[in-house]
This record gives sequence, C-alpha cells and structure tokens, in this order.
Amino acid sequence: EAGVAQSPRYKIIEKRQSVAFWCNPISGHATLYWYQQILGQGPKLLIQFQNNGVVDDSQLPKDRFSAERLKGVDSTLKIQPAKLEDSAVYLCASRARPRGTVNTEAFFGQGTRLTVV
Amino acid sequence: DQQVKQNSPSLSVQEGRISILNCDYTNSMFDYFLWYKKYPAEGPTFLISISSIKDKNEDGRFTVFLNKSAKHLSLHIVPSQPGDSAVYFCAASAKTGANNLFFGTGTRLTVIP
Repeated sequence: EAGVAQSPRYKIIEKRQSVAFWCNPISGHATLYWYQQILGQGPKLLIQFQNNGVVDDSQLPKDRFSAERLKGVDSTLKIQPAKLEDSAVYLCASRARPRGTVNTEAFFGQGTRLTVV
Repeated sequence: DQQVKQNSPSLSVQEGRISILNCDYTNSMFDYFLWYKKYPAEGPTFLISISSIKDKNEDGRFTVFLNKSAKHLSLHIVPSQPGDSAVYFCAASAKTGANNLFFGTGTRLTVIP
C-alpha cells in the first residue's frame, strides 16, 4: 500500500514570496490533515479536510495561508506572502474513517521543510 | 492551550533497560491515544495506540498504559535498543466532533549502547 506522498521535500524562499506544497493521501482515506511543525515543537494542526470539505481551519492564518482538496483526493497548501516565522516542516497526514467504535491512526508523509530567508 | 503535554523533553536509557515515556492530557473528551516515533528528516510513524475502553495495549516490546482518572498515559519499551533512539510524540483524539489529532511536544529518547 502506497503511503502519503508530499512534494517538494525542501524549499527555500525569500520572505514575501509565495510557496505551495502538494499532498497525495493514502487511497480511500477520507480525512486529510496539514500540520506545521516548528523545530523543537510538536505538530500543530493547520487544517483538516473530510473528503473535499473543510472540517477545522481554526488554526490556519487565513490572511496568508490557504488550502484546498480538490475532488477529495490531493491537497495543496499555499503561503502567500511568506514570513520568516513560517520556517518549519509542513506535514500532511491522512486517516481512514473510524470503524464503528474503533478509531484509526493517521499516516504521515515525509514532510516539506520550508526555510524562509 | 496545549491539550496534550509531554513534560520530559529528553530521556537517556542504557541498552537493554526499560524506557518509560510519559504523557498527560487535559481534554476529558479524548477517547483514543496514539504514540508516534520520528526520525530526523522523516515524517512521524505510527507506533501503538489505545482506546479509552482499555487500560493497557501491548505490541511486542512496546506497551502503552492509560490512566483515565489521572488523564495520563505512558509508553514502555522493553528492552530498549539503540534503534529506538528517536523523538516520540504522544497524540490524542475524540471521535465526537472533528476527530482532530492533537500532539504533545515530544520526548527525545536516546538509547546508549
């Protein structure tokens, strides 16, 4: 079974530039998450999709970050314009629906390391 | 507002001994708890989970214990091996609502040969 695919692996941009990250989740997984992980911290949820609808984007800085999940499969996360504090690893994860009373684990991609200079 | 907390940023253990990693949570709605392991330059990989209807789950060298009254869980690794050296994240979710996955800040485990 293929895992969660993310690209690019690394990206260096100057502040005020824009950048986009792509994620292809595990086939059949309805839930897709984007997390931001700053060095030394745990992953912080940015946005959660259920199929192609947004379930939770309360932590997404909407003045500069946007995300979409077309047709309920692939997803892109965009930052425009980037700030120095956006330097982090951006992780995409997907998760199957809970099976009755049993919840499920999320599977992560390798992440995209963004450096804003 | 950190709903999942790992208060020990690092832990060093001799090879062959037991490693115990701890995690506390504040949200009483959480009903599913997970441990993830992360190597440098890789995404977190799922290790083991436990549902709130249980107080223990075992998988080989890894055992997770859940104390709901104390809102505390722990991961035991016995015996510890050098390949276990990584950052371990505790995570929690609740099936009601959005079923978000909340993470702690991680504990870096070093197993000394």
